[in-house]
Amino acid sequence: RKEVEQDPGPFNVPEGATVAFNCTYSNSASQSFFWYRQDCRKEPKLLMSVYSSGNEDGRFTAQLNRASQYISLLIRDSKLSDSATYLCVVSRTGTASKLTFGTGTRLQVTL
Amino acid sequence: NAGVTQTPKFQVLKTGQSMTLQCAQDMNHNSMYWYRQDPGMGLRLIYYSASEGTTDKGEVPNGYNVSRLNKREFSLRLESAAPSQTSVYFCASRYAGTINEQFFGPGTRLTVL
Repeated sequence: RKEVEQDPGPFNVPEGATVAFNCTYSNSASQSFFWYRQDCRKEPKLLMSVYSSGNEDGRFTAQLNRASQYISLLIRDSKLSDSATYLCVVSRTGTASKLTFGTGTRLQVTL
Repeated sequence: NAGVTQTPKFQVLKTGQSMTLQCAQDMNHNSMYWYRQDPGMGLRLIYYSASEGTTDKGEVPNGYNVSRLNKREFSLRLESAAPSQTSVYFCASRYAGTINEQFFGPGTRLTVL
């Protein structure tokens, strides 16, 4: 079983739609959680950290459920520019901040 | 600031050839990392350097060596390239503080024939 699992998609949604991505992690020692964004043939970039109480950054909302070992990302009012692959990432305690990446969920926003 | 830079951007090798991928960062970060990204596998950590003078193996270190030349530079060497090492290689760096964000370079696309 992969340590971080995501639905690969693709998710095809019209502009303006709301879309949600889910991610599960297997190691209960995971301490830090992130969503990274990766555009086609580019490097990953941090989209947002995920906090226990949930957090929002503009149109993006991240939630964490430690009991279920589940992370989510909600994108409201999708834009064409949101088209990318979204990577769920976790880091475990005492691992020199090594990150474990999910394989990513691809989002395509269309007109 | 250039951030994290990697050279070369593209490379084609024959099986058995050797090469070194270069990575440098100008953000005064303490930690540096090498990943490979393959379709359906996500990014996997090859080696990392928590601080200048230290290196450690990651998830997939076999067939690779690294050198933390100084605080800025972290190189990855393939001594005898194999087709299984065809991949996209990313270098990343991180400041050793409470924020865990890693900053990535643009990647090196390597093909081993």
